[in-house]
Amino acid sequence: EVQLLESGGDLKQRGGSLRLSCAASGFTFSDFAMSWVRQSPGKGLQWVAGISGGGIATYYADSVKGRFIIFRENSKNTLYLQMNNLRAEDTATYYCAKDNSLAVTGHLDYGGPGTLVAVSS
Amino acid sequence: DIQMTQSPSSLSASVGDRVTITCRASQTIINYLNWYQQKPGKAPKFLISDASNLQSGVPSRFSGGRSGTDFTLTISSLQPEDFATYYCQQSYIVPYNFGQGTKLEIK
Repeated sequence: EVQLLESGGDLKQRGGSLRLSCAASGFTFSDFAMSWVRQSPGKGLQWVAGISGGGIATYYADSVKGRFIIFRENSKNTLYLQMNNLRAEDTATYYCAKDNSLAVTGHLDYGGPGTLVAVSS
Repeated sequence: DIQMTQSPSSLSASVGDRVTITCRASQTIINYLNWYQQKPGKAPKFLISDASNLQSGVPSRFSGGRSGTDFTLTISSLQPEDFATYYCQQSYIVPYNFGQGTKLEIK
């Protein structure tokens, strides 16, 4: 059974940094790309970043490019999102999601329960 | 970036009704359009890929269609567990933007 569990969400001040983690199990982690998707309170979904199975290819939404870094440790079956220079508009629940391909295709077939990031101004 | 526009933003319907949600892309995405279902406090559930491919385990009352840059999600006979918010998402080019969502409520 595929399981994804995010952690690391917290209340941070504007300009601060935070690292989210996502522990994966139930599948061969390195065979699949992963993404982060966020949802601001009461709002819709926003794709944030994606990384290929091998960790070489990474992609970002314009709103986080240059501030967030997605990376993975395949030996630990763990996905990360390093969030720097946080803004109030980064306040959201962050979901990690498994792609159904080695490449970042956006076909997100499993997601975790999410972790809440709140940024105070 | 490609913008995705869903309509309606909310919809009231009864069990047994047939409902259709529409999603329009701001430019061609060929058939790279996915549909997700989200219930409160949960991660989105992947329903349909590439406009019309039903994911494993998804009931056959769900179907997807395409006409040019317009895409549809149809539920043929609503069941109580179908009341949720539905999102389209393009997977043609990054960033893989979602539509703003359609909240399906019980009438």
